[in-house]
Amino acid sequence: DTAVSQTPKYLVTQMGNDKSIKCEQNLGHDTMYWYKQDSKKFLKIMFSYNNKELIINETVPNRFSPKSPDKAHLNLHINSLELGDSAVYFCASSPSGRGKGTEQYFGPGTRLTVT
Amino acid sequence: GDSVTQMEGPVTLSEEAFLTINCTYTATGYPSLFWYVQYPGEGLQLLLKATKADDKGSNKGFEATYRKETTSFHLEKGSVQVSDSAVYFCALRRGTQGGSEKLVFGKGTKLTVNP
Repeated sequence: DTAVSQTPKYLVTQMGNDKSIKCEQNLGHDTMYWYKQDSKKFLKIMFSYNNKELIINETVPNRFSPKSPDKAHLNLHINSLELGDSAVYFCASSPSGRGKGTEQYFGPGTRLTVT
Repeated sequence: GDSVTQMEGPVTLSEEAFLTINCTYTATGYPSLFWYVQYPGEGLQLLLKATKADDKGSNKGFEATYRKETTSFHLEKGSVQVSDSAVYFCALRRGTQGGSEKLVFGKGTKLTVNP
């Protein structure tokens, strides 16, 4: 009964490769997010989609391309991976239109290590 | 821009000690304020929230009061347990149009509770 799931949980790859991380939510939410957590645990928004439409894009390099095939999925594709991309990536979702107090539900995270 | 400042960690306490983790924010308007907790190896979970001035959020013995005059949302617990060991994140969220509102996080405070 996982609410927000991500695959894979761990991803180890070499510089220059292209990789994807998948996210799915079964909560019926129409807004989904990607956050990046660096080695110092600092969390920062990367993207947000509402009803499959890109709403937030926080000055992320264009090597990162989110794709939302439907409201329940938001995948993150990363081209030409760099060492600095090593981090934990969290997907989250929330219902929209319910005000600023609405909770966001987070997935378990994907730990990406670029060697 | 919006920002959240948390006290530097790590914080180490003995079981049953009193906990305070300071959080102050900078934002235009009237944001909602949140505390999220990240247990080792897991994603973030909402601990408590407050959506307007003087609101008190509470959960699992933790409390935080939204103080607009001091722009603060300090987290407190009267008696911590070993199971409270985790990283705690203060966050704010402004209401925006478009149905998608990002969370702005503090840098997190790692709490370790020893038996």
